[in-house]
Amino acid sequence: DSGVTQTPKHLITATGQRVTLRCSPRSGDLSVYWYQQSLDQGLQFLIQYYNGEERAKGNILERFSAQQFPDLHSELNLSSLELGDSALYFCASSALAGSYEQYFGPGTRLTVT
Amino acid sequence: DAKTTQPPSMDCAEGRAANLPCNHSTISGNEYVYWYRQIHSQGPQYIIHGLKNNETNEMASLIITEDRKSSTLILPHATLRDTAVYYCIVRWAGAGSYQLTFGKGTKLSVIP
Repeated sequence: DSGVTQTPKHLITATGQRVTLRCSPRSGDLSVYWYQQSLDQGLQFLIQYYNGEERAKGNILERFSAQQFPDLHSELNLSSLELGDSALYFCASSALAGSYEQYFGPGTRLTVT
Repeated sequence: DAKTTQPPSMDCAEGRAANLPCNHSTISGNEYVYWYRQIHSQGPQYIIHGLKNNETNEMASLIITEDRKSSTLILPHATLRDTAVYYCIVRWAGAGSYQLTFGKGTKLSVIP
């Protein structure tokens, strides 16, 4: 158990809809990272927050947005969903503003039908 | 970031040591070697990292050659729960972005 929690575990929704994925980092960690993992693309970095501020951005679509709240939990919002957005979405956390020593949650499996 | 090369798959008998190699011949002096693993459809798990010296923690040992061009991750007593894909990653600690990117890794199968 990494100490990172993600909800929900599974999400099935229709194209065009909007969903919110939630992540709680390990106790004391200030950085949160979001990744997408699909079968054909491997692990893709989306975005990083540190203590409430956006720190780095990867290949995140404009339809996707994220934020980190004062209690340090983070939410990833996915809108106008397409079939291709079906994937595992992982959240990771680290103690430092930037670290490759990241602790991943169990992921949210999103299925868009 | 330096390119890494890992064998696509390896088998290991349960209870024996699993030695997973990684070649990173273009590594530069300030780049670290990180190891992660991913058990099927679970979140990736950080294992260990090092710069020059050998490192050991409760999960594994990391042996880095003196010229730093290759490394070996050692799981001292492999169990069935160690069956996973193992990723060797080389990264510079001073980079502006700390995004992780996994290559194809080594699929380790621990056999009873």
